[in-house]
Amino acid sequence: KQEVTQIPAALSVPEGENLVLNCSFTDSAIYNLQWFRQDPGKGLTSLLLIQSSQREQTSGRLNASLDKSSGRSTLYIAASQPGDSATYLCAVATGGFKTIFGAGTRLFVKA
Amino acid sequence: EAGVTQFPSHSVIEKGQTVTLRCDPISGHDNLYWYRRVMGKEIKFLLHFVKESKQDESGMPNNRFLAERTGGTYSTLKVQPAELEDSGVYFCASSSRQGALNTEAFFGQGTRLTVV
Repeated sequence: KQEVTQIPAALSVPEGENLVLNCSFTDSAIYNLQWFRQDPGKGLTSLLLIQSSQREQTSGRLNASLDKSSGRSTLYIAASQPGDSATYLCAVATGGFKTIFGAGTRLFVKA
Repeated sequence: EAGVTQFPSHSVIEKGQTVTLRCDPISGHDNLYWYRRVMGKEIKFLLHFVKESKQDESGMPNNRFLAERTGGTYSTLKVQPAELEDSGVYFCASSSRQGALNTEAFFGQGTRLTVV
């Protein structure tokens, strides 16, 4: 049974700091991995999608890596800003087109 | 192009009442999924449609939940009768199908359901 774990559960950093969010999954047989952002009371915004054959994806200040063999992914946020404050969710797509989510990391960037 | 849209955005109902949530997927997407997040828990898979057929409904919590996708377009999720523990945010997602490749799933904004 696939399980997705995110560490840390919450993180508070000063503005401008570079940070790393961690995601681990128990079954390496995944189709892809997505990082989402969720703002309070809002829906899910897809940030980055990494196919199982890829090692990383970049979008602006965000970089996500994937190591399928070790069951790990990291989301790197460079030069954090207060507007980055949100919950970040890691999700893996498994066989049968089912997506399994982690519990998320709540990020607070202090101005 | 319109994204995945969900109606309503919020719903407050009394215990024992019926509520129907609607999801309009991205046009042309055969795959449609329902997920929900109850307070303090992870987002959990409920079920998956391929066109009008239920491909996987292993995540449906009990028989008070009924999902339909008539004609393979929009989908509805009915909760009848609603219980307090059904409160949460219900997300819908859709994706295209390219053979066996799992393509990116696009999520709607969710419906926040509160049962009082």
